[in-house]
Amino acid sequence: NAGVTQTPKFRVLKTGQSMTLLCAQDMNHEYMYWYRQDPGMGLRLIHYSVGEGTTAKGEVPDGYNVSRLKKQNFLLGLESAAPSQTSVYFCASSYQGQGLYEQYFGPGTRLTVT
Amino acid sequence: EDKVVQSPLSLVVHEGDTVTLNCSYEVTNFRSLLWYKQEKKAPTFLFMLTSSGIEKKSGRLSSILDKKELSSILNITATQTGDSAIYLCAVDNNAGNMLTFGGGTRLMVKP
Repeated sequence: NAGVTQTPKFRVLKTGQSMTLLCAQDMNHEYMYWYRQDPGMGLRLIHYSVGEGTTAKGEVPDGYNVSRLKKQNFLLGLESAAPSQTSVYFCASSYQGQGLYEQYFGPGTRLTVT
Repeated sequence: EDKVVQSPLSLVVHEGDTVTLNCSYEVTNFRSLLWYKQEKKAPTFLFMLTSSGIEKKSGRLSSILDKKELSSILNITATQTGDSAIYLCAVDNNAGNMLTFGGGTRLMVKP
């Protein structure tokens, strides 16, 4: 099992450029999440998905879009990058169900917008 | 708005010391509290706490939840340099399995 993987690992964009971050999980998890992590601010939820074909806004959704066309993949898009989006982005996934399940995190993508 | 606050922000200790990290929360519909350790990359899961007063333990790490005080502590005994990391606390508010994270405590353990 690879767990949760993210591509790319690093990226530098110029203001106004667009890009897509890919998250993939091989654990058959229903729920997937995108977070950003900035110094001293912990992790903040951008968008999440509770199943294939469904997405919802998190705490800081502005400037981002997501899609979950396949259960194992969750894409995060930046249509017009801004310097304020310089951050480390983490994807996570978890089981759904009556039990309480922890989230499993990918290795992160470091994005710099100049 | 849900809120999770961790203290201290950072901590420097020497190997062998015992440390206590704090997490307090305000959430509308508490389900569980989780602790994660983050070294260089992805946060890795440590504990999930749902009931007050029941200690969870893994080796030198232990954690306990106090629902009355809306808080949790993470203890690390006989610290080692490998314990150096950011420790994150998060609360599940029972809404789509979403987590609200605190800002983290950065622990540095010196030889």
